[in-house]
Amino acid sequence: KAGVTQTPRYLIKTRGQQVTLSCSPISGHRSVSWYQQTPGQGLQFLFEYFSETQRNKGNFPGRFSGRQFSNSRSEMNVSTLELGDSALYLCASSSTLGQGGNTGELFFGEGSRLTVL
Amino acid sequence: ELKVEQNPLFLSMQEGKNYTIYCNYSTTSDRLYWYRQDPGKSLESLFVLLSNGAVKQEGRLMASLDTKARLSTLHITAAVHDLSATYFCAVEAGGGADGLTFGKGTHLIIQP
Repeated sequence: KAGVTQTPRYLIKTRGQQVTLSCSPISGHRSVSWYQQTPGQGLQFLFEYFSETQRNKGNFPGRFSGRQFSNSRSEMNVSTLELGDSALYLCASSSTLGQGGNTGELFFGEGSRLTVL
Repeated sequence: ELKVEQNPLFLSMQEGKNYTIYCNYSTTSDRLYWYRQDPGKSLESLFVLLSNGAVKQEGRLMASLDTKARLSTLHITAAVHDLSATYFCAVEAGGGADGLTFGKGTHLIIQP
């Protein structure tokens, strides 16, 4: 079956702009998480959505937001971009919570590489 | 705050050799994961370790978990060039309230 799909794959923005990234999870997966990957900070948790509700949020400023739609697709938005927001943004989905055998294993998309100039 | 430490962070080894990557974490964990990342690519799930003493093997890679020592190992047997990649361990704690906490990754280069 199709994996996690993220769009766009690459984008360049300037400081002060905003950006929206999109993620389509694996079919049947209702949990979507977002991570930021940078050379300096490594992989850091942004937030997790399940059934259109934000379950958890990492330690990021309010400029970082997200949402999930009824079809489990998710978007994340970064407003007032800063140079330090340049990163690979990874989306991951996992199997429906509450079902037997859910290991919590995350399946990652290819990522959206954001460059802020 | 959960901390996850991997070592070594960089490893260059020859084909045919064995080596172990270590992953220590600072608090009681619910679950531990190993991922592989090739340059410019996403993260590929390798192993999911859910209980103390868990051991999983896939090809030349074997992962184990000791929850009492808060330690996981990823052992590479008779390394081949195709295993060159960056390997991450990730820990879930607190029921996943903080997502996964990743180690900084081990950049592995296997030379012929």
